[in-house]
Amino acid sequence: AQTVTQSQPEMSVQEAETVTLSCTYDTSESDYYLFWYKQPPSRQMILVIRQEAYKQQNATENRFSVNFQKAAKSFSLKISDSQLGDAAMYFCAYCGSGGSNYKLTFGKGTLLTVNP
Amino acid sequence: NAGVTQTPKFQVLKTGQSMTLQCAQDMNHEYMSWYRQDPGMGLRLIHYSVGAGITDQGEVPNGYNVSRSTTEDFPLRLLSAAPSQTSVYFCASRTLAGTDNSPLHFGNGTRLTVT
Repeated sequence: AQTVTQSQPEMSVQEAETVTLSCTYDTSESDYYLFWYKQPPSRQMILVIRQEAYKQQNATENRFSVNFQKAAKSFSLKISDSQLGDAAMYFCAYCGSGGSNYKLTFGKGTLLTVNP
Repeated sequence: NAGVTQTPKFQVLKTGQSMTLQCAQDMNHEYMSWYRQDPGMGLRLIHYSVGAGITDQGEVPNGYNVSRSTTEDFPLRLLSAAPSQTSVYFCASRTLAGTDNSPLHFGNGTRLTVT
């Protein structure tokens, strides 16, 4: 079974600074998808960014970017110019392709605090 | 733009009671799923469905039943609630159309407390 590990239960960053959240995963598949979800105090789950394993280029969405290292099975999230609204729990998630496409496996989350 | 709608938002049950958490989506998504979120555990898949009449178990299915009689609805039933089922429950859906893995759309969650 696939596993997703977020080794940082909590992180903090100063407003306007950059922070990187770590995620590693374990899989024997060669084709899969990776996601970062944000959960603010409202409890809503919001998709931040996603990466297809077959794509070499790292995904970017405005201030959010990933460092995808397929060989190392690492998928970190970088938040640039941090804003107070970025404070949330962040979850890394893995989804296989083909027959294992129906199960999204989440990490345990990293709680990000943004200090003014 | 209703998206995924979960009801109720909050619920308190006594041990042994039964209840159904409702989930409805208006996006014609084939795939629907239920997750539970516990502190320090992330989200764990309970059950999922890839279409009307088709359901399958996830990682933590024990104590929960589901059915999928329509594309829109995917209720989660607790037949005899236990304190271990105290959690926040999320329903999520996505389309299975196309070759790309589309992202999940989540409901706003149901906080369930079993005393």
